[in-house]
Amino acid sequence: DIVLTQSPALAVSLGQRATISCRASQSVSISRYNLMHWYQQKPGQQPKLLIYRASNLASGIPARFSGSGSGTDFTLTINPVQADDIATYYCQQSRESPPTFGAGTKLELK
Amino acid sequence: EVQLVESGGGLVQPGRSMKLSCAASGFTFNNYDMAWVCQAPKKGLEWVATISYDGSSTYYRDSVKGRFTISRDNAKSTLYLQMDSLRSEDTATYYCARRDYYDYWGQGVMVTVSS
Repeated sequence: DIVLTQSPALAVSLGQRATISCRASQSVSISRYNLMHWYQQKPGQQPKLLIYRASNLASGIPARFSGSGSGTDFTLTINPVQADDIATYYCQQSRESPPTFGAGTKLELK
Repeated sequence: EVQLVESGGGLVQPGRSMKLSCAASGFTFNNYDMAWVCQAPKKGLEWVATISYDGSSTYYRDSVKGRFTISRDNAKSTLYLQMDSLRSEDTATYYCARRDYYDYWGQGVMVTVSS
């Protein structure tokens, strides 16, 4: 299985940039497709898709969210961070079965 | 508006069965692969199973193979998860989700396996 590694937590100030990383144990890219996706989950709620295929903004997601990366290293950036962004963020790969998720990065206020 | 609404969760004894349903609306259900994803209390997300748009292919995580069955009724726009021989470690919130990057999720249904 492809293992996705995320830092457990990140502390950030409101209005600043947050960079959340996800490293895969093997490449999740096929030709020009980077099969890494990002989700936001708030307590008591279902996850919400933010970014699909590494860099594509999902419908209705604010432009302060962006994604980048290829191969094994991917980044979710939130700039600027707003209070409503305090949540846990998960990466997920669909390159290989089984689909796997990172353990999540909890975004906290500094 | 795309909606996924799960039902069928609750408390069940170890070794017993439970069937979850996910009613879909707002999109052409038979155009999309569908999946079940679970989340144990205070834990992260885990993929459980996927079914192709036409039901011809199914995929399962190793820990549920032979115990869980994913199915769909495209005429009713409904996804199912039949869970047999339930174990305490199956206790989780179960979400249905659309396609291989999960662009829409249901609100989730809690399954508690306990005597």
